[in-house]
Amino acid sequence: QQQVKQSPQSLIVQKGGISIINCAYENTAFDYFPWYQQFPGKGPALLIAIRPDVSEKKEGRFTISFNKSAKQFSLHIMDSQPGDSATYFCAASGSGGYNKLIFGAGTRLAVHP
Amino acid sequence: NAGVTQTPKFRVLKTGQSMTLLCAQDMNHEYMYWYRQDPGMGLRLIHYSVGEGTTAKGEVPDGYNVSRLKKQNFLLGLESAAPSQTSVYFCASSYTGLAGNEQFFGPGTRLTVL
Repeated sequence: QQQVKQSPQSLIVQKGGISIINCAYENTAFDYFPWYQQFPGKGPALLIAIRPDVSEKKEGRFTISFNKSAKQFSLHIMDSQPGDSATYFCAASGSGGYNKLIFGAGTRLAVHP
Repeated sequence: NAGVTQTPKFRVLKTGQSMTLLCAQDMNHEYMYWYRQDPGMGLRLIHYSVGEGTTAKGEVPDGYNVSRLKKQNFLLGLESAAPSQTSVYFCASSYTGLAGNEQFFGPGTRLTVL
């Protein structure tokens, strides 16, 4: 119940294309869903996050879509650029006091020029 | 403002050796965390601290010990290193432990145990 399943493991997209990464969870107590971006040799950094009271959140070219009934959420990167090449992690945590972040396994994205 | 820093950046140990990884943050954050990152497994929480002088176990605590004697520092110790502890270790900190409070990560320490 604590797992967050992420797919695909790796993704190759052409410049200008749309990158889509999917995550699924089981624990209905989760109510915070962030995405972290990690460049080679660096630590992860928060990219965008959503709570289940909305079905979509957009920040620039990055959009999170959230489907509460299906317990799934996804990251869409529009107009993908070579500079977006990184590893992306979805995560989830609950509310009320300290609730640790549960991370997905990660998706390595390569955007080819 | 350096954020979260980690030392060392790289280390090679022999089985049975001990070492300490140091994490420092200058953001006055209460919460600090140690994660390990392994291929295909994402980040897994080893130990965390909710404030100076307090520590707690995370998801994979066996073989590790931690201490938080000062608010800005969080130490991760390996008393007797094993090859299974070969990994990249990340420290993170956050202002609170509430969901939605961003965790800031350090640059990582790549540890190899032979």
